[in-house]
Order: sequence, then structure tokens, then C-alpha cells
Amino acid sequence: GAGVSQTPSNKVTEKGKYVELRCDPISGHTALYWYRQSLGQGPEFLIYFQGTGAADDSGLPNDRFFAVRPEGSVSTLKIQRTERGDSAVYLCASSQGGAAPTYEQYFGPGTRLTVT
Amino acid sequence: AQKVTQAQTEISVVEKEDVTLDCVYETRDTTYYLFWYKQPPSGELVFLIRRNSFDEQNEISGRYSWNFQKSTSSFNFTITASQVVDSAVYFCALSERAGGYQKVTFGTGTKLQVIP
Repeated sequence: GAGVSQTPSNKVTEKGKYVELRCDPISGHTALYWYRQSLGQGPEFLIYFQGTGAADDSGLPNDRFFAVRPEGSVSTLKIQRTERGDSAVYLCASSQGGAAPTYEQYFGPGTRLTVT
Repeated sequence: AQKVTQAQTEISVVEKEDVTLDCVYETRDTTYYLFWYKQPPSGELVFLIRRNSFDEQNEISGRYSWNFQKSTSSFNFTITASQVVDSAVYFCALSERAGGYQKVTFGTGTKLQVIP
């Protein structure tokens, strides 16, 4: 079946602009995660959704970052007033949900965001 | 707080050599899971292996094997008879239960280059 998809694959924006990054999880996966991966680093947790609600948003760096998942499927990560430091690859992952150890996370290809 | 350390930044081996990737972790939990992920140049994180904290039995799966030692908080990963297609960045990750889901912390990755 189809894996996790993310659009766009690349996004170049000017400092101060607003961007939206989309994640389409694997069908039936109730859990969705956003991560940010800076150059030479591992993915860093941003936010976790279980269904429609953000169960843990402790990784969002500041209030310029916001994410939604209105129907419990597709999620959008929104970044306001972008800064050059926001440049990174934003990864989305989905899983069957909950804390079961067998529910591994499946990752999408990421969106490479460049803020000029 | 949980932490994963991959001290090896880059490793180069000649094809058919064996290579071991090191991983050391820190956690206060008694129940946790350890993972290895592969990130090829295409960027998508690929799940390789998972181990839970109660099972220190080391296993071999094809050309992959791992050595989990709780006493030293290490979870090393070995590729036997390396191939050029193994060239990628490898991430070790630690997962803990956090309010009903598995919260994953990644290491900074080890870039493996297999030279033909």
C-alpha cells in the first residue's frame, strides 16, 4: 500500500513568510508525528497527534509553529514569520497509534524547507 | 531525559568488510525500546530493527546483527560483508512510553560509506 507522503518535497521561502507543509499518513494510522531534521543531526520531535488532537506538542520550538489534523488523517504543519534558522527537513511519520511497541513509525520522504 | 549518543560521525569501509556502528543511550525508564533506522541519500528513514529493554538476546537477521548490553547501555549494530547499497546515514533511536505513546529520541547519526 501507499506509504507516508509529504508535499511539497522542497520549499524555498523568504524570511518572514508563512509556509504550510502537508503530510498524508498511511491509511488507517491514527498516530501522526512531525519531526525536524537539521543538517548533520537526527530527527527531533515536534508534535504528536492521536486522531485529531495534538496529544504532545512539547517539541514545537515556539509559537510560530502550529500543526493541525482536523479530520484525523492529513496533517498540516504551519510556520509563521519564517526565520533562516527554520531551514531544515521536516519529516512526518505515522503509526497504528498508542503505546504498543509493535507500532513502529513509518516515515515520509520529508519536506526540505529553505528560508532565504 | 532520554539521550542517544552515536560517537562515530563517519565511517568508511571497503566493500565486503564488516562494520559495527556504536550506540550508547541514557534513560531512567526500565521499559524502553531501541531502534536502528537507515537514511539513504533519498532521505526517507527506513526502519531496520527494534529491541525491547527486557530482551538482551542478540540476533542476526541476514547481514545485520546487533549487540544489546544493558549493563553498558549500548546497542551496537553490525553489517556483515558490507555492500555499496549500505551507504547511508544510520540512526540509533530510543523510545519510551510518554503519556500513552512511544516518544522517540534519535542520535545524531553515523554516516557509512562503503567503497567499491
